Amino acid sequence: GAGVSQTPSNKVTEKGKYVELRCDPISGHTALYWYRQSLGQGPEFLIYFQGTGAADDSGLPNDRFFAVRPEGSVSTLKIQRTERGDSAVYLCASSRGGKGETQYFGPGTRLLVL
Amino acid sequence: DAKTTQPTSMDCAEGRAANLPCNHSTISGNEYVYWYRQIHSQGPQYIIHGLKNNETNEMASLIITEDRKSSTLILPHATLRDTAVYYCIVRVDSGGSNYKLTFGKGTLLTVNP
Repeated sequence: GAGVSQTPSNKVTEKGKYVELRCDPISGHTALYWYRQSLGQGPEFLIYFQGTGAADDSGLPNDRFFAVRPEGSVSTLKIQRTERGDSAVYLCASSRGGKGETQYFGPGTRLLVL
Repeated sequence: DAKTTQPTSMDCAEGRAANLPCNHSTISGNEYVYWYRQIHSQGPQYIIHGLKNNETNEMASLIITEDRKSSTLILPHATLRDTAVYYCIVRVDSGGSNYKLTFGKGTLLTVNP
């Protein structure tokens, strides 16, 4: 079946601009996660959704970052007033249930802030 | 979640078995060992996980020592497409804040022709 998809695959923006990154989880998966991966590092947790609600957003670096999942399926990660330090690969994962289920990752969105 | 230690890099000849070690000496009794890999420019790919028994699937085998302080991921017949960064992660599978995967830097496995 179809895996996790993310759009766009690449995004180039200018410092100070607003960006939205989209994640389509595997059909039927109730849990969704966002991670961020900087060059040469492993992915780092940002936020976890169970259904429509953000169960844990402790990994979001500051209040410029926000994510939504209004219908419990597609999620959008929103970054306001982008900074060069936001440049990274943003990864989305989904799992069938919540805690303990295996997470399956999408290909990521490569964000470059100039 | 317990911390893991992996070698930074390893090499393997094509067609030979690749054995990737992981130390997790502070693992708790209810923590599972997970392995993911990340091929260049792709998202992490789930490989296998286990608690204390050895596990095998179509991709790999996972050997966990009796004291559970270390494990080895085995790719029985490595191919060039297995070149990737391999991450060993320990995680509780129920209750608590176990949804987070805590990635280290992993092992870069290079399979040579």
